[in-house]
Amino acid sequence: ETGVTQTPRHLVMGMTNKKSLKCEQHLGHNAMYWYKQSAKKPLELMFVYNFKEQTENNSVPSRFSPECPNSSHLFLHLHTLQPEDSALYLCASSPVLAGGPRYNEQFFGPGTRLTVL
Amino acid sequence: KQEVTQIPAALSVPEGENLVLNCSFTDSAIYNLQWFRQDPGKGLTSLLLIQSSQREQTSGRLNASLDKSSGRSTLYIAASQPGDSATYLCAAALLEAGSYQLTFGKGTKLSVIP
Repeated sequence: ETGVTQTPRHLVMGMTNKKSLKCEQHLGHNAMYWYKQSAKKPLELMFVYNFKEQTENNSVPSRFSPECPNSSHLFLHLHTLQPEDSALYLCASSPVLAGGPRYNEQFFGPGTRLTVL
Repeated sequence: KQEVTQIPAALSVPEGENLVLNCSFTDSAIYNLQWFRQDPGKGLTSLLLIQSSQREQTSGRLNASLDKSSGRSTLYIAASQPGDSATYLCAAALLEAGSYQLTFGKGTKLSVIP
């Protein structure tokens, strides 16, 4: 257990559905991240939040909408997704966005396996 | 743009062997480099983090080295065990104008045969 939990662990949705992925960290960290892991591709950073403020959006389509209500919770709202959005979505957290030694080590949750039909 | 390459893509070794996994990166101005382990269908577990000012880090049977000038890192696993079977990912961190990003390689899938 890394101290980062994600729900649901598996999700199947149609292209017209709206769903949300949830991430919660119990580590007292202030930075949180969403990554996408597709088959045979490296992990891709999607969004970064630092002290609840979004600091990075790596050209992610608007059908993905993040929300960070506090430093412990991170959501990814999904709507009108495409089949190519099927992937493992990973959440991570770190003590701060950047800082002294080991303050930026990222801890990952188990991921949500998303299938878009 | 930072690119991270891991060689080999897959590796199969008999139990007990020592092995080396390789990681190379194109931008040597990294902030740190992190090695992860990923079991099938699971998230990532951090194994070792090497700051840019360090040359190596050790944890148990694992030793990671970093050579910034040549853009390389290696993960050495001693006396491999079947439980070490997993995909190993390296990630190079860049810190620019307050933006901190990890760039991942595609990973090396390790199989340790009993």
